[in-house]
Amino acid sequence: DAGVIQSPRHEVTEMGQEVTLRCKPISGHDYLFWYRQTMMRGLELLIYFNNNVPIDDSGMPEDRFSAKMPNASFSTLKIQPSEPRDSAVYFCASSFDLNGTGNTAGELFFGEGSRLTVL
Amino acid sequence: DAKTTQPNSMESNEEEPVHLPCNHSTISGTDYIHWYRQLPSQGPEYVIHGLTSNVNNRMASLAIAEDRKSSTLILHRATLRDAAVYYCILTGDYGQNFVFGPGTRLSVLP
Repeated sequence: DAGVIQSPRHEVTEMGQEVTLRCKPISGHDYLFWYRQTMMRGLELLIYFNNNVPIDDSGMPEDRFSAKMPNASFSTLKIQPSEPRDSAVYFCASSFDLNGTGNTAGELFFGEGSRLTVL
Repeated sequence: DAKTTQPNSMESNEEEPVHLPCNHSTISGTDYIHWYRQLPSQGPEYVIHGLTSNVNNRMASLAIAEDRKSSTLILHRATLRDAAVYYCILTGDYGQNFVFGPGTRLSVLP
């Protein structure tokens, strides 16, 4: 298995530009998570999906951020317009339903992250 | 906010056991306790998880208090490669969990 695949690995953009980060979860996983990591704020949960449905987006910083999961094998995190304070490493993680009840995720498998720099 | 609290840092000597504590006093009955670690410049990686009983795997052991309000990750013989930030999180019902706190930065001295 190739694991969770994220793209791009690195992105440098200018303030005001649109940024799209992509994630391919592990096949068969039911959950998909987006995290952001900075030195100041640590690892923050932005949003997570279960069976392609957003379950908790309370961590999304503001309306400039949006996430979609159009199918079980693909998700995007979009920032429009981007700002310098959005500079961070964005991680995607996927997981499976631990006990078959649809409300408990098992082990989280993380991608290698997308390092975003907004100038 | 994270539902778990951990010491900011710990230090260990190489080849000695390490006990990393985690408090989760608001844990609910269906929450699992997960541990992850993050090596420098890498994404977090899974270490171990449990619900009520102690658990062992090739990486570590997890000791869970009887009231489940705390747990301890045990590295039986620390190596230099175990130097990382260790996170304890809860996973369970919607809307409560999967939140990482600052974790514990473990330093291993040769």
